[in-house]
Amino acid sequence: DGGITQSPKYLFRKEGQNVTLSCEQNLNHDAMYWYRQDPGQGLRLIYYSQIVNDFQKGDIAEGYSVSREKKESFPLTVTSAQKNPTAFYLCASSSQGNSYEQYFGPGTRLTVT
Amino acid sequence: QQPVQSPQAVILREGEDAVINCSSSKALYSVHWYRQKHGEAPVFLMILLKGGEQKGHDKISASFNEKKQQSSLYLTASQLSYSGTYFCGTGLTGNQFYFGTGTSLTVIP
Repeated sequence: DGGITQSPKYLFRKEGQNVTLSCEQNLNHDAMYWYRQDPGQGLRLIYYSQIVNDFQKGDIAEGYSVSREKKESFPLTVTSAQKNPTAFYLCASSSQGNSYEQYFGPGTRLTVT
Repeated sequence: QQPVQSPQAVILREGEDAVINCSSSKALYSVHWYRQKHGEAPVFLMILLKGGEQKGHDKISASFNEKKQQSSLYLTASQLSYSGTYFCGTGLTGNQFYFGTGTSLTVIP
């Protein structure tokens, strides 16, 4: 079955630690995205990648880093520089360009204390 | 850059209709509509492209006014399963993409 997976579903970390969220897709999509969602809020774009080894910052990239070494994978690292990292993180993928729908993973709920 | 949606929230009785609006300050290449249930990932509903092409579900209808940079989603004969938060997403030039502020829809019996 084709799809997009994120792991883990829930993640707990102590303040000051870096943490990496996994995102994998087997849809053969070129584009991948990371969004952050806070309670009662919309989706805010953190980073996106249109092609392997290339990615661009979204509106709230500070305190986050990504890599795109393989087409299937787009991990997100939440660094200790991110001041308020507790949130629901969603990864998505789509065929190239804005003409194609985005498919979302189930999300990772990160709690930092 | 983030499009603005209205209304922010709406409550309907089963069978009633609703319209959700999405407005952008930027020229749009495409408009997407998604629905998200609480604690779940957003699910694709429809795409409207510049030039008039539409892709999506048969039971969902929407409009896209390119000149006004606005889109509207039409929900008719609402069912309990329509409840959730609806997001528009706007595709700009250069493959930029922004989700809207969201509209909470609650359908009651």
